[in-house]
Amino acid sequence: NAGVTQTPKFQVLKTGQSMTLQCAQDMNHEYMSWYRQDPGMGLRLIHYSVGAGITDQGEVPNGYNVSRSTTEDFPLRLLSAAPSQTSVYFCASSYGDRDYYGYTFGSGTRLTVV
Amino acid sequence: KQEVTQIPAALSVPEGENLVLNCSFTDSAIYNLQWFRQDPGKGLTSLLLIQSSQREQTSGRLNASLDKSSGRSTLYIAASQPGDSATYLCAISPTGFQKLVFGTGTRLLVSP
Repeated sequence: NAGVTQTPKFQVLKTGQSMTLQCAQDMNHEYMSWYRQDPGMGLRLIHYSVGAGITDQGEVPNGYNVSRSTTEDFPLRLLSAAPSQTSVYFCASSYGDRDYYGYTFGSGTRLTVV
Repeated sequence: KQEVTQIPAALSVPEGENLVLNCSFTDSAIYNLQWFRQDPGKGLTSLLLIQSSQREQTSGRLNASLDKSSGRSTLYIAASQPGDSATYLCAISPTGFQKLVFGTGTRLLVSP
């Protein structure tokens, strides 16, 4: 099925561990982005990409790295996990101009850092 | 910095009622505004997108309006159904389709 695939769906990490959240889309969308969702704070942008090889920081980038070597993939790396990074992470892909546009979100990764 | 606020935070109504969800934003220089639906434990589903030059969009029982000058948008749901129960999120795109600024959402419960 076409869409945005996130893996894993659930993850528990110990403080200080590193890991990579995977995100892949098969719709040839040029834009991809990562958000975190915390209770009472809505979704906040971590990093985003406007095309292969091009990334930029969002509102809450500290502690996270991204790269975009292909149009399809946009992994999010946690360098040294902290309890404050416990959250639900969503990846999104999008495209658009004034006449044709679309957003597709993955089903999320629930991360707990202990 | 763009801030997006949604009121109320939670809403409980009986089936069949018409209802309005509110979204306000601090910077009127937006590219577009979207309404999303989120079911528990799931991702987001786009409901309606209003370009900055438009005043409203309609899809079935849903109607979204945009007033840039006052920094407000409303989502109107007609004849609500239990299946409408979900969290509704408003999001602003400041410059295009690359990124979004979200409100904190309104959690809607429609009782049979």
